[in-house]
Amino acid sequence: AQRVTQPEKLLSVFKGAPVELKCNYSYSGSPELFWYVQYSRQRLQLLLRHISRESIKGFTADLNKGETSFHLKKPFAQEEDSAMYYCALSGRYNQGGKLIFGQGTELSVKP
Amino acid sequence: KAGVTQTPRYLIKTRGQQVTLSCSPISGHRSVSWYQQTPGQGLQFLFEYFSETQRNKGNFPGRFSGRQFSNSRSEMNVSTLELGDSALYLCASSSPDASNTGELFFGEGSRLTVL
Repeated sequence: AQRVTQPEKLLSVFKGAPVELKCNYSYSGSPELFWYVQYSRQRLQLLLRHISRESIKGFTADLNKGETSFHLKKPFAQEEDSAMYYCALSGRYNQGGKLIFGQGTELSVKP
Repeated sequence: KAGVTQTPRYLIKTRGQQVTLSCSPISGHRSVSWYQQTPGQGLQFLFEYFSETQRNKGNFPGRFSGRQFSNSRSEMNVSTLELGDSALYLCASSSPDASNTGELFFGEGSRLTVL
């Protein structure tokens, strides 16, 4: 079964602390993994995707096929990072809009 | 470019009624996907349309249907509404460019309340 699991509903850290949002997946095939973010009163938007191997707003995520994980990390959290984060998965050759989303993790960065 | 536009933003219906939601994608985007978001189930894929054809379908009953027009605008319809259909319905469009696989541009959603 295709599934994305985000074990933490809420993650609360202090400003300047490291952040790791966990994501595990189950997929039979070659997956594409993504992190989407929704800031307060804004639309859901793409943060980063594993295939690009890029760092966005200081966030990085490495696809670990052995552990079937795609954890999102940032060394020093900022207050503006507070948002809902969703891990999502699609098939490697899916050029369409079918994504499987995790339940989301709310990140709260305290001053 | 204007973003994805969904109408109406809010609506209230009663059980047994039907509802039609509309989505205008970003100009040039030919793929339109629909998602249902609820507190209990999270974001669940409903279906996707590309060039007026349904390309992917999620695990929802036949009461949920959609269509896409030649200008890429899409509508989804829910018939015989149930209380459990209360949700935020999100529309997303994506570019046909293969390099943008997985990048969806979401609308603000249509919040449906079924009484």
